[in-house]
Amino acid sequence: GQSLEQPSEVTAVEGAIVQINCTYQTSGFYGLSWYQQHDGGAPTFLSYNGLDGLEETGRFSSFLSRSDSYGYLLLQELQMKDSASYFCAVYNQGGKLIFGQGTELSVKP
Amino acid sequence: DAMVIQNPRYQVTQFGKPVTLSCSQTLNHNVMYWYQQKSSQAPKLLFHYYDKDFNNEADTPDNFQSRRPNTSFCFLDIRSPGLGDAAMYLCATSVRGGIAETQYFGPGTRLLVL
Repeated sequence: GQSLEQPSEVTAVEGAIVQINCTYQTSGFYGLSWYQQHDGGAPTFLSYNGLDGLEETGRFSSFLSRSDSYGYLLLQELQMKDSASYFCAVYNQGGKLIFGQGTELSVKP
Repeated sequence: DAMVIQNPRYQVTQFGKPVTLSCSQTLNHNVMYWYQQKSSQAPKLLFHYYDKDFNNEADTPDNFQSRRPNTSFCFLDIRSPGLGDAAMYLCATSVRGGIAETQYFGPGTRLLVL
């Protein structure tokens, strides 16, 4: 089966950088994705890592180390609108997503 | 804009009274998913359709059923809602359901059971 661990909540100030970690245990690994979900809203795709290394998309970057079963999401130049829950998720062999419990990010002025 | 639409956004039902939640998509994706998300928890996959092929998760209660009459529409039927079924229900789509494919989520229907 699959299990994922990420911190339940993180607080940071506007303009700062924050890193949200995710460790996973899977019977087979097919990639790690990150989704953002604002309160009451739909999850939206942020990034996917299938191979080791860093993927950068604007202010957001995602990193994967398959040997450590570890990834992180890095958010730079934090804005108030970045306050949301962030979910890491792994794919199983059937292409289905298994989500972590989510990290609630609070950005303070 | 191509999108995933869920109606209604909020649904109130009574304990034991059947309820149907709707999802439609204009993306023309082959795969449609239904997730249940309880407060401060991860979305949990209930079932998905690959085209007309229905795939149920092993731990999805029999109380939950689904229908997909055509490519665009998918319905979630809860035959006898219990208090524990109060949650956000999310519909999502993907092109082929393959590994690394992005899933596109609708805004969700929040179900309240009285």
